[in-house]
Amino acid sequence: EIVLTQSPGTLSFSPGERVTLSCRASQSVDSRFFVWYQQKRGQAPRVLIYRTSSRATGIPDRFSGSGSGTDFTLTISRLEPDDFAVYFCQQYGSSPYTFGQGTKLEIK
Amino acid sequence: QVRLVDSGGGVVQPGRSLRLSCSAAGFSISRYAMHWVRQAPGKGLEWVAHIAYDGGNILYADSVRGRFTISRDNANNTVALQMNSLRVEDTAVYYCATWAFTLGVDYWGQGALVAVSS
Repeated sequence: EIVLTQSPGTLSFSPGERVTLSCRASQSVDSRFFVWYQQKRGQAPRVLIYRTSSRATGIPDRFSGSGSGTDFTLTISRLEPDDFAVYFCQQYGSSPYTFGQGTKLEIK
Repeated sequence: QVRLVDSGGGVVQPGRSLRLSCSAAGFSISRYAMHWVRQAPGKGLEWVAHIAYDGGNILYADSVRGRFTISRDNANNTVALQMNSLRVEDTAVYYCATWAFTLGVDYWGQGALVAVSS
């Protein structure tokens, strides 16, 4: 099983700042099957980035993804109030498909 | 309007069974693999099960293999999750989902709450 570790568990930033979230895999992940989700309280997750670096439909260009192998990052270039939420990484190239435990992005 | 509707959740005693259903509207599930993903209260996401578009390939998380069964009925545009021998640790919101990101597909149900308690 590929274990995805997101660190830190919580990040505190101010609107307008740039933030980078990390996701590290216990073994190499096929980058074609690596995604980032955003989840807000009481809602289902929604995809932000798929295939490591492709923005999903309707996702603003302040969100970007990168990485390969075992290290992946999600960068939000200029935080807006709506961006404060929980972010999960996921790989679905190798069963069992796995999620990271999530990073909560909170307002400083 | 495209949506997935999860139903069948409830409160059940340990060792008992429950069946979740997922009904699709606005699109045909016959082209897509379908998944169940769960989220325990205040916790992260856990993938539970996958079924290929034609039912030919089925995968499970280790935590549910042998107890849960995923199935689909493409003619009726539905997916189901039969959950047997339920445990307290199965308590979670269960989401039906499908994704085909290159096609712009990322659909999730609203979630069905399953609470296993004596």
